[in-house]
Amino acid sequence: TQLLEQSPQFLSIQEGENLTVYCNSSSVFSSLQWYRQEPGEGPVLLVTVVTGGEVKKLKRLTFQFGDARKDSSLHITAAQPGDTGLYLCAGPRNSGYALNFGKGTSLLVTP
Amino acid sequence: DVKVTQSSRYLVKRTGEKVFLECVQDMDHENMFWYRQDPGLGLRLIYFSYDVKMKEKGDIPEGYSVSREKKERFSLILESASTNQTSMYLCASRYPNMNTEAFFGQGTRLTVV
Repeated sequence: TQLLEQSPQFLSIQEGENLTVYCNSSSVFSSLQWYRQEPGEGPVLLVTVVTGGEVKKLKRLTFQFGDARKDSSLHITAAQPGDTGLYLCAGPRNSGYALNFGKGTSLLVTP
Repeated sequence: DVKVTQSSRYLVKRTGEKVFLECVQDMDHENMFWYRQDPGLGLRLIYFSYDVKMKEKGDIPEGYSVSREKKERFSLILESASTNQTSMYLCASRYPNMNTEAFFGQGTRLTVV
């Protein structure tokens, strides 16, 4: 099983602060995905990164895929309470059918 | 609007009962999955299916079985529920490509007493 390690596990910040969460593995992935999960709901895809060194921006969220395709980061600029949730990174399993997930970073943004 | 629908949001069952969790998707996806989500452990894959009547074990299949008789429906069966199966169960589906989005249901919170 290709493990994905996420850090930090918990993050509590004030509105307006910046933050970065990390997703690391010893394995090379063909792609990585980031999902956000709100309480009582299933995860929802934010972005897929497929090329080493790739940077994608989604409004105040910036996603980066490492050059060696073993790690990824998510940076949020000027966090807002609506960003609160569980952020999960995911990569394809060897079979390609299913996804392996990291344990997630639980983010709380307070006004 | 694409949808993965799980039959129940909350279930309470007794130890030893046979439990059925149902999942239906309307996107004609070949691949369907069952995960369980526990605090501190993340999402763990129980079973997945890549075609009708085809299934493969995930990382934690013990105590579970699955059924996929129709493309749109994937059922998770707890043969004899135990308290350590109390968890959030998430169903997902996606096209058979490594980079495609996985669509999740809203989850079923199962409590076994």
